[in-house]
Amino acid sequence: QVQLVQSGAEVKKPGASVTISCRTSGYTFTNFYMHWVRQAPGQGLEWMGIINPSGGSASIAQQFQGRVAMTRDAATSTFYMELTSLKSDDTAIFYCARDKSDNYPQAHYFFDAWGQGTLVTVSS
Amino acid sequence: DIQMTQSPSILSASVGDRVTITCRASKSVSTWLAWYQQKPGQAPKLLVYQASILESGVSSRFSGSGSRTEFTLTISSLQSDDFATYYCQHYNSSPYSFGQGTKLEIK
Repeated sequence: QVQLVQSGAEVKKPGASVTISCRTSGYTFTNFYMHWVRQAPGQGLEWMGIINPSGGSASIAQQFQGRVAMTRDAATSTFYMELTSLKSDDTAIFYCARDKSDNYPQAHYFFDAWGQGTLVTVSS
Repeated sequence: DIQMTQSPSILSASVGDRVTITCRASKSVSTWLAWYQQKPGQAPKLLVYQASILESGVSSRFSGSGSRTEFTLTISSLQSDDFATYYCQHYNSSPYSFGQGTKLEIK
């Protein structure tokens, strides 16, 4: 079955960076785009961007441009999301979420499988 | 950017009730609209996409409808497992935004 397993919770100081991993299994890695979604505590969901599993090109939502990098390692079927210059309002749960489309290279931009989430706490 | 607004924000209902959640887009998204269910401490779960297509494995008690700017998610005959927060999301154009959520509570 499809599984997305994320790395564990992180505590960071303001100004630091964090990298979250999303290890995938149960499907062909190169056939499905991956997205990242942020959820602040008790708040709604916010799309951060999408990464192409083949080649690794990414499209980042404008509000995160310059602070977010998305990469992947096809050898280990793992995606990564780095968020830099952390601020207290970056405290949130971050999810990796698989694009629904199985018609690569077409992406659908909605999500049929999710990681369990990674809590990032930014505090001095 | 397209803004998504859900109503109500909180909905109180009883087991067996039929409930409807509304999602409005600030401009047309055609039928590029998905619905998710999220329970506390869990990731969201896809329920409906393309406004009315039920995701595989999702109970037929859930149904979606609508187009352009107005959409609904209906749950017929609520079960205890349905009490959760529901989000709509458009995927018409970037950024692919979500509604603020509707919390479905037990009355």
